[in-house]
This record gives sequence, C-alpha cells and structure tokens, in this order.
Amino acid sequence: GENVEQHPSTLSVQEGDSAVIKCTYSDSASNYFPWYKQELGKRPQLIIDIRSNVGEKKDQRIAVTLNKTAKHFSLHITETQPEDSAVYFCAAGMNYGGSQGNLIFGKGTKLSVKP
Amino acid sequence: EPEVTQTPSHQVTQMGQEVILRCVPISNHLYFYWYRQILGQKVEFLVSFYNNEISEKSEIFDDQFSVERPDGSNFTLKIRSTKLEDSAMYFCASRLDDTGELFFGEGSRLTVL
Repeated sequence: GENVEQHPSTLSVQEGDSAVIKCTYSDSASNYFPWYKQELGKRPQLIIDIRSNVGEKKDQRIAVTLNKTAKHFSLHITETQPEDSAVYFCAAGMNYGGSQGNLIFGKGTKLSVKP
Repeated sequence: EPEVTQTPSHQVTQMGQEVILRCVPISNHLYFYWYRQILGQKVEFLVSFYNNEISEKSEIFDDQFSVERPDGSNFTLKIRSTKLEDSAMYFCASRLDDTGELFFGEGSRLTVL
C-alpha cells in the first residue's frame, strides 16, 4: 500500500520568511496530492491540492510542486504570517480510475511563525 | 457553506463498552470515510464507504469496528468493545465524487478509561 513520508516534523521561521515542507510517496499509482492545515483542536482543512497531470500549482502565497519521477511533492509558503502557524499534513491517494479516493497522510509538520 | 457534522464532540467510556460515533455528511456527497488521529500523531485512514458498502478498509479497521448508513443522512462508526488504544480523535469525511475535495467534520474525541 501507499506510504507517505513528510519532513521536517517541526519548522520554525521568522515572519516574512518562506517555509518549505517536503513529502515523498511510494505508490506510483497515486495521482492526487492534497495539503491540509490543522489548527490546534480543529479539523484538517484543505489548503491546496495537485493532481499528477501538472507539475506546479500556485494560490496566492501557497504553491505546491510535484515530481512524479522522484515521487515527491512539496509545499511552499511565502511571506509567512503568524496565522500560518499550524500543523500541515501532506497526503497521497488515487483519486479516480477504480479507487474510492481514500488518502494516506504524512506525519505532519508543525510550523511556527515568529513575529 | 455545507459542513460535515459529527456527534458527540467528546465521549468518555469504559474499556469494553460499545461506542457509536455519528456523522452527517454533506447532503449530496456520495463517498464517506472515517479517519482517526491519536493525539499528536498523523491522520490515519480507517474505512471508505460508497453505494451502501465498504469499499476499502485499513488494517486498523478490525472486527471490532463497523460502519453503517442507517438512513439517507447518517453515517455511523461503531466500536464493539473499546480498548485503551482506541482513544483518539475520530474524523468523518465526505466527498461529492471520487475526484473532489475531501471535507472533514470537526471530529469526535473518544477517551477510553
């Protein structure tokens, strides 16, 4: 089955700096890679996702890149703000073509943005 | 905005007791899931449900677990005889189709004593 590794487990940056979180996956059949933000005691919320037919996707200060050959994908947050502080989870799964789309999550990265 | 809702938000139970966690997925969604998150750890897939049957389950989802969609709106997770290690936050999730965004509920925190 799919296995997702996520690094680093904790990341501390100064406000305004960039943050990068990296994930690798094992199943080459995976074709959907979402990123979730989870604030303390809250539900995971989707912040951006990418499908295997594109290499990069950007939404304002957040971008995700995907390297299918190397089976890794990364989250980039630019101009970080204190409200970006949370735990970020990457996930991988098959999003169509016979699978029901269940996701396998990484272990999470606790991002702290210092004012 | 439509939401996935879960009850109870927190349940405390004694080891060996049965627990039912309830979820109301977003009304037009067709795919339903249960995930769990042990405190401070990653979100783990338990089971997916589509067309009134389980479509996939993980190793965690053993014979002590079952899911049901008893009517057109509720989706329940039953743990037959709880163990200490079942203590976790249980998230229900739903999606419109197998290509759409997965929406999570607020979670039900289960504490087994």
